[in-house]
Amino acid sequence: NAGVTQTPKFQVLKTGQSMTLQCAQDMNHEYMSWYRQDPGMGLRLIHYSVGAGITDQGEVPNGYNVSRSTTEDFPLRLLSAAPSQTSVYFCASSYRNNQPQHFGDGTRLSIL
Amino acid sequence: ILNVEQSPQSLHVQEGDSTNFTCSFPSSNFYALHWYRWETAKSPEALFVMTLNGDEKKKGRISATLNTKEGYSYLYIKGSQPEDSATYLCAFIITGGGATNKLIFGTGTLLAVQP
Repeated sequence: NAGVTQTPKFQVLKTGQSMTLQCAQDMNHEYMSWYRQDPGMGLRLIHYSVGAGITDQGEVPNGYNVSRSTTEDFPLRLLSAAPSQTSVYFCASSYRNNQPQHFGDGTRLSIL
Repeated sequence: ILNVEQSPQSLHVQEGDSTNFTCSFPSSNFYALHWYRWETAKSPEALFVMTLNGDEKKKGRISATLNTKEGYSYLYIKGSQPEDSATYLCAFIITGGGATNKLIFGTGTLLAVQP
């Protein structure tokens, strides 16, 4: 099992550019989520999904879109990057939300 | 606003000391409480998931208790070792009001164990 795989590991964007952060898991987990980690803020939930075709907003969803067309993949899209979106992004998955979350290695994103 | 508080923010102890941290969360509509260990330059690693009032879990020298009626959980580390140095995160889920399935994290307690 590869677990939770995030790509890319690092990315630098210019303001206004768009991009997609990829997240894939091979554990047949239903619950997947995206977090951002900023100094002093801990992990903040951006969007989450409880299964293919079902997504919902977390604490800080503005500026991000998600979709869940398959159980395995949960991409995060930045439509028009802003400097405030400079952060480290983590994807996580679990069988259900009351089961331990498995985290990817993170994507460090810088917006200039 | 759903909020979880962790205290202290940071802690410096000597090798061999026992220590504990607190996680406070809303007691209404409680569903589950998670603890994670997060080492620098790595991703968070699950320690415990607790769902029942009075739950106690143990993993080696680390243990946790849960009080859902008053909204707190304690994490204990017995005989701290330098390799225990990490940030310890808690996260909770409540049911109802559109909050179900949202795992909300605290900002963590940073533990540094001096040899």
